[in-house]
Amino acid sequence: RKEVEQDPGPFNVPEGATVAFNCTYSNSASQSFFWYRQDCRKEPKLLMSVYSSGNEDGRFTAQLNRASQYISLLIRDSKLSDSATYLCVVISGGSYIPTFGRGTSLIVHP
Amino acid sequence: GAVVSQHPSWVICKSGTSVKIECRSLDFQATTMFWYRQFPKQSLMLMATSNEGSKATYEQGVEKDKFLINHASLTLSTLTVTSAHPEDSSFYICSASGGLNTGELFFGEGSRLTVL
Repeated sequence: RKEVEQDPGPFNVPEGATVAFNCTYSNSASQSFFWYRQDCRKEPKLLMSVYSSGNEDGRFTAQLNRASQYISLLIRDSKLSDSATYLCVVISGGSYIPTFGRGTSLIVHP
Repeated sequence: GAVVSQHPSWVICKSGTSVKIECRSLDFQATTMFWYRQFPKQSLMLMATSNEGSKATYEQGVEKDKFLINHASLTLSTLTVTSAHPEDSSFYICSASGGLNTGELFFGEGSRLTVL
């Protein structure tokens, strides 16, 4: 089993739709979790951190489920500009080395 | 926010030559930098962890003699692809941690290497 797994998609949704991605991790000692966004041929950029209590930033909501070892990203009212690949990143305690998921591709169409 | 500069952005070279990629943290000191490789439609794969003033830690399967990493200062790490071959063609990205506890990573712009 891979350390961090994501459904690669693509998720093809119309503008205005709500879409959710999950990311599972295998190391129960993982401490920090993040969602990054990567546009084609560009470097990843931090979208949001994922806190134990969950957090929301505008149309984006991230949640952590430690019992089931997954994090989620919810995007409401999708925009065309949301089209990108969303990477989850998990940092395990001790090593502090970030591990990336494969990424989930989102395509928002008119 | 913190900025990491990476260059060159694009490089095309002949098979057998060596290519050096630089990664600089512009406004903070990065004791640790990470080098990743990304093939099309694949995830970022960690190649090595670069620690200032010490030898890099390579991931399993990454040849340390082929991918030379030097982290001579707190603001500069370099990756040299030696004797490059077409299969080394990829997108190479460096990142620096904003701090062990924050976990946030700051990425360079990436370098697309094409080996002919």
